Amino acid sequence: DSGVTQTPKHLITATGQRVTLRCSPRSGDLSVYWYQQSLDQGLQFLIQYYNGEERAKGNILERFSAQQFPDLHSELNLSSLELGDSALYFCASSPRTEGGYTFGSGTRLTVV
Amino acid sequence: GQQVMQIPQYQHVQEGEDFTTYCNSSTTLSNIQWYKQRPGGHPVFLIQLVKSGEVKKQKRLTFQFGEAKKNSSLHITATQTTDVGTYFCAGQPYGSSNTGKLIFGQGTTLQVKP
Repeated sequence: DSGVTQTPKHLITATGQRVTLRCSPRSGDLSVYWYQQSLDQGLQFLIQYYNGEERAKGNILERFSAQQFPDLHSELNLSSLELGDSALYFCASSPRTEGGYTFGSGTRLTVV
Repeated sequence: GQQVMQIPQYQHVQEGEDFTTYCNSSTTLSNIQWYKQRPGGHPVFLIQLVKSGEVKKQKRLTFQFGEAKKNSSLHITATQTTDVGTYFCAGQPYGSSNTGKLIFGQGTTLQVKP
């Protein structure tokens, strides 16, 4: 157990639907990062939150949004899902904005 | 945009042989980190290099950061079957220390034949 908790582990949904992925960072970590991992594109940075505020944004689609709550857990919302959104979504956390990440075990999203 | 290229994409070695993966950034990096992802698992942090020309060792693993802080390598001596997995480098672009955002390379997948 890395200390970063992601739920659910697996999600199967239909095109056009909306899903929410949840992440609880390691205790004491203020930064939360979301990455998408697909076979052909490696780990793609989506978005970062630091202590409740958005700190950096990557190539995140407009259909995707995220937030970090006062207890520091974060949610990634994916809407109007397409087949191409099928991927492994990782959440990672770090104490501040430097140093190594601790990754969660990921949510495998399958859009059918 | 900022890119981190990693080669080779795949490497098959016989147990006991050495292995090296190389990482090259399009921009100067503040630091570079290395992660290992076992099949079916999540990336696990191995090490961070910060200084120009830095070399760090962890048992059979040797990590180097280039003088220009744009490239890095990971060398494994005498591979074992437990080394199987995908090794990622991840660079923090210079000037982005207020974000902590990392740009990941595509990874090198290592297979070790016993």
